[in-house]
Amino acid sequence: DAKTTQPNSMESNEEEPVHLPCNHSTISGTDYIHWYLQLPSQGPEYVIHGLTSNVNNRMASLAIAEDRKSSTLILHRATLRDAAVYYCILRDPFKAAGNKLTFGGGTRVLVKP
Amino acid sequence: DTGVSQNPRHKITKRGQNVTFRCDPISEHNRLYWYRQTLGQGPEFLTYFQNEAQLEKSRLLSDRFSAERPKGSFSTLEIQRTEQGDSAMYLCASSSGTTGLGGTKNIQYFGAGTRLSVL
Repeated sequence: DAKTTQPNSMESNEEEPVHLPCNHSTISGTDYIHWYLQLPSQGPEYVIHGLTSNVNNRMASLAIAEDRKSSTLILHRATLRDAAVYYCILRDPFKAAGNKLTFGGGTRVLVKP
Repeated sequence: DTGVSQNPRHKITKRGQNVTFRCDPISEHNRLYWYRQTLGQGPEFLTYFQNEAQLEKSRLLSDRFSAERPKGSFSTLEIQRTEQGDSAMYLCASSSGTTGLGGTKNIQYFGAGTRLSVL
């Protein structure tokens, strides 16, 4: 299975953008890139996903490199409520293994007021 | 429907006792998943159901663990003869599962988890 690599932690100031990188150099052609976040004492929560093109939703933007070997989750204006662990996950919906989410260690985001 | 519900939220037990957790998924979701999360780590997949059929089990799911989803609605996860190493957060998730192009999104919605402490 293709794996992802993320920094352990990142700090940001409130109201500034946060760019969370994810490397996935062994990504396959049918792997979708998913991001989930996990707030303290809560279960993970879906953020965004994409295949090749950049994606935007109300929570964040996902920028995918042209060779798909890396991606970046962008939080446009960090708030204190964005302090969480962010997980970058590859899922292949065409394979049985794609039925489950394989979490790595994620990136812990700290937001300073 | 307010989301995935897990009960109890916290469970403290003594080593060797049996425990059972319950998960109520989002009502229209046919897939239900169990994950385990230890401190400082990401969640690890344990097993999943499509309706009442248990389709995959992780090697993490030892013989002491059993999961059921008898009518394709709620699910239970039982741990027999608990050990201190079983202490973790047990997370349940559900999704409206499809495969192939229809399943490219397949968002999993998680409950808040059951935190198990084995003394």
